[in-house]
Amino acid sequence: QQQVKQSPQSLIVQKGGIPIINCAYENTAFDYFPWYQQFPGKGPALLIAIRPDVSEKKEGRFTISFNKSAKQFSLHIMDSQPGDSATYFCAASMAGGGNKLTFGTGTQLKVEL
Amino acid sequence: DSGVTQTPKHLITATGQRVTLRCSPRSGDLSVYWYQQSLDQGLQFLIQYYNGEERAKGNILERFSAQQFPDLHSELNLSSLELGDSALYFCASSPRQNTDTQYFGPGTRLTVL
Repeated sequence: QQQVKQSPQSLIVQKGGIPIINCAYENTAFDYFPWYQQFPGKGPALLIAIRPDVSEKKEGRFTISFNKSAKQFSLHIMDSQPGDSATYFCAASMAGGGNKLTFGTGTQLKVEL
Repeated sequence: DSGVTQTPKHLITATGQRVTLRCSPRSGDLSVYWYQQSLDQGLQFLIQYYNGEERAKGNILERFSAQQFPDLHSELNLSSLELGDSALYFCASSPRQNTDTQYFGPGTRLTVL
C-alpha cells in the first residue's frame, strides 16, 4: 500500500520559473516530511524537511508548504535553474517507526534555458 | 559527498548467485538503513540496524539478510538472486536510532543476468 502519493511524475519549466511538486500522505502518525534531490547515478540528498507543527519552511530557493488538515505538502523551487534538473522525492517518517522513510514515486524535473 | 561509502559501485552477476554489498556509515553514526530503488517499486525501505542490532524491517525478502558489525559498517547479503533483484541498493546513516535526517551513500547498482 503506497502511503505517500507524489505528483506530477514529470515537470518541465523554463529557467526562472517556479516548479511545484505535490505530495499527499495517509498515515497521520507521520511526523517528519523531508524532500530529497537525486541526480542520475547518485544517491538521494536531503534538500529540506518540515514537521507538522509549522505550515511553511524556507531554505534558500526551496520552500515546503504543509497542510496538516489536508494531509498534503509541497515543494516550491524559486528562480529555478538548469542545475536544478533532477528527480525529487518526497518522503515521510514517524519516530515510533524507527524513522524509516516512506518515499513518494518521484518527480523528474527539467529546467530549460 | 554525504560521508557514507558503499562498495562495490557496480555488480553484475547471474541468477541463483549470492552477493554482498558493503556500507560504511558517516563517522559517528550508529544507525544504518538499507533501501532498494527499482523502476517498478521506487525507493523502498528494507531494514535498519542500530549499533549492531536490528531495529526495523520493511519489504525485505527472506533471501536477503543484513548485519551491522562492531565497527558499525553494514553488509547486505542477497542470495538466490533473480532477475527482478536488479536494482540500485542504497545505504543511509544517521547519528542515533530515531534521528530524522538520513544521509545516503552513492549506491550499488546490481544487475542480475
